[in-house]
Amino acid sequence: DGGITQSPKYLFRKEGQNVTLSCEQNLNHDAMYWYRQDPGQGLRLIYYSQIVNDFQKGDIAEGYSVSREKKESFPLTVTSAQKNPTAFYLCASSGWTANTGELFFGEGSRLTVL
Amino acid sequence: GDSVTQMEGPVTLSEEAFLTINCTYTATGYPSLFWYVQYPGEGLQLLLKATKADDKGSNKGFEATYRKETTSFHLEKGSVQVSDSAVYFCALKGSNQAGTALIFGKGTTLSVSS
Repeated sequence: DGGITQSPKYLFRKEGQNVTLSCEQNLNHDAMYWYRQDPGQGLRLIYYSQIVNDFQKGDIAEGYSVSREKKESFPLTVTSAQKNPTAFYLCASSGWTANTGELFFGEGSRLTVL
Repeated sequence: GDSVTQMEGPVTLSEEAFLTINCTYTATGYPSLFWYVQYPGEGLQLLLKATKADDKGSNKGFEATYRKETTSFHLEKGSVQVSDSAVYFCALKGSNQAGTALIFGKGTTLSVSS
């Protein structure tokens, strides 16, 4: 089945550690996104990529990094510079032909800093 | 910049009650509008969308009409079920927006009891 796979579903991190969240899609979509979800805050955009080897900062990029070496993959690294990393992270993708802007989401990764 | 404001929850209803969740937006040009739904522990799923003024999006008994004169896209359902309990997000894609990321409201939690 086509879709977006995020892993791990749950992740625990000690303070000062970097962690990488995986996002893979087999929808042949060009664009991919990372959002952060906190209670009462909705979804906030971290990074997005419209094409391989290119990505743009979103509203809350500080303390995060990404790469887009393959069309199918858009991993997010939460660095030790992110002051409050405990959150639910959602990856999404969209195709250029879907010019209405619909996003397809993965099931999310919940990161907890101990 | 572009933004979305939706009514704060939680919204608590009895089964078969009428549902309205208000959503208003601020955007230049002619944005596309969306409602997404998130069930507990999952990612977001597109519920419905509208791409131009006066369009009505509908799905699974939910409806929303794109009202440019009031900059609104309120979500309605005539008779809610327990299975509709979830978090609902209003979102927009601005016509003048660089990139293709969606801007989301903060979400409204709906709880339906039998």
